[in-house]
Amino acid sequence: GENVEQHPSTLSVQEGDSAVIKCTYSDSASNYFPWYKQELGKGPQLIIDIRSNVGEKKDQRIAVTLNKTAKHFSLHITETQPEDSAVYFCAASDQTGANNLFFGTGTRLTVIP
Amino acid sequence: NAGVTQTPKFQVLKTGQSMTLQCAQDMNHNSMYWYRQDPGMGLRLIYYSASEGTTDKGEVPNGYNVSRLNKREFSLRLESAAPSQTSVYFCASSEVRAGNTIYFGEGSWLTVV
Repeated sequence: GENVEQHPSTLSVQEGDSAVIKCTYSDSASNYFPWYKQELGKGPQLIIDIRSNVGEKKDQRIAVTLNKTAKHFSLHITETQPEDSAVYFCAASDQTGANNLFFGTGTRLTVIP
Repeated sequence: NAGVTQTPKFQVLKTGQSMTLQCAQDMNHNSMYWYRQDPGMGLRLIYYSASEGTTDKGEVPNGYNVSRLNKREFSLRLESAAPSQTSVYFCASSEVRAGNTIYFGEGSWLTVV
C-alpha cells in the first residue's frame, strides 16, 4: 500500500515569513494529493489539492507543488499570519476507491507574532 | 448546514466497558469513514462504508465494529474498551471516489482508564 512521509513534524516561523512542508509518497499510481489544516479541537479541513496532471497550484497565500518523478509534493504558505498556526496533513490517493486516501503524520506549524 | 456531526465529543470509559460513537452527515454522501488520530501517527482508517449497506475494514479495525444504519448515519462501537483505544476519533464522509473531498466531523475525545 501507499506510504506517505511528511516533514518536518514541527515548524516555527516568524509572522510574515514563508513556511514549507514537504511530503513524499511511495506508490507511483497515486494521482491526487490533498492538504488538510486542523485547528485545535477541530476536524481536518481541506485547504488545497493537486492532481497529477498539474505541477503547481496556487490559492492566494498557499501553493502546492508536485514532482511526480521524485514522488514528492510540498505545501508553501507565504506571508504567514498567526491564524495559520495549526497542524497540516498531506495525503495521497490513487482515486480507485473510497478507502484509498493515505495521510502523512502531520506538521504542527506555529506562527510567532 | 451541519456537515458531519459526531457524538459524544468527550467520553471517559473504564477498561472493558462498551460504547458507541454516533455520526451523521447531511451532505447526501455515499461514503463514510471512521479514523483515529494518535500523536505522531496521523490519521488512520478504522472502518469505512463505500455506500449504504456496505462496510469494510481499514488499516486498524481490531477492537471495533461499525454499522451503516442508513445513508446518513455510520456508528462505531467499542465492545470492550482497552487503554490502547484512547484516542481522538473522527467521522468523515465523501462522495464515492477517493479523489473527492473528505469532510471531517469535529472529533470525539475518548479516554479509556
